[in-house]
Amino acid sequence: ENVLTQSPGTLSLSPGERATLTCRSSHSFSSSYFAWYQQRPGQAPRLLIYGASTRATGTPDRFTGSVSGTSGTEFTLTISELEPEDSGLYYCQQSDRSPVMYNFGQGTRLEIK
Amino acid sequence: QLQLQESGPGLIKPSETLSLTCSVTGDSASDYWWAWVRQPPGMGLEWIGTVYHIGITQYNPSLQSRLTLSVDTSKNHLSLKLTSVTAADTAIYYCVKNRHLFQGSGWHYFFDLWGQGTLVTVSS
Repeated sequence: ENVLTQSPGTLSLSPGERATLTCRSSHSFSSSYFAWYQQRPGQAPRLLIYGASTRATGTPDRFTGSVSGTSGTEFTLTISELEPEDSGLYYCQQSDRSPVMYNFGQGTRLEIK
Repeated sequence: QLQLQESGPGLIKPSETLSLTCSVTGDSASDYWWAWVRQPPGMGLEWIGTVYHIGITQYNPSLQSRLTLSVDTSKNHLSLKLTSVTAADTAIYYCVKNRHLFQGSGWHYFFDLWGQGTLVTVSS
């Protein structure tokens, strides 16, 4: 099973600052199978990014997904010009195809103070 | 506009079978792949399984022996059945559209529409 480890566990920033969230995978896989989700308090998760870097419909361009490093096992979500509404939990997710399995990271909590 | 609405018992006793339904409105359930994802209170997300209307199912190995997912195209809804539940099955259960997208040079697999979720508590 592919294990996704997100860091940091909690991130506290001010409005207007930039947030950098990281997700590391225990195994390499195709970046096309990677996604990011946002979960605001009391709400269901919503898709932000798929294919590691493609914004979903409705995702502001302040949100940028990328693959970092050369091993294909480290992914980054950057949120620029933070707004109070960006507060919440952020989850990374990847898919294995043989056999099919979807794995989530444990989440990063983003607090905008 | 495609919308998903889960429904279920709320409270269920240990060893019983959990049955959940997800009503699909705004489009045909036969047009998409679907998944169930759960979230224990205060914890992270866990993929339960994926289903396609022609009977294709993909299950999380940790739940496979207790799980049945199906699509009822006549009622346009999805169903989840989980047998022999324990307190560890207490969670918010989400019905999710599981997008399979061919774009660029390859396939993408992700969850692009979520229901609001239904809380299931397993307790005697």
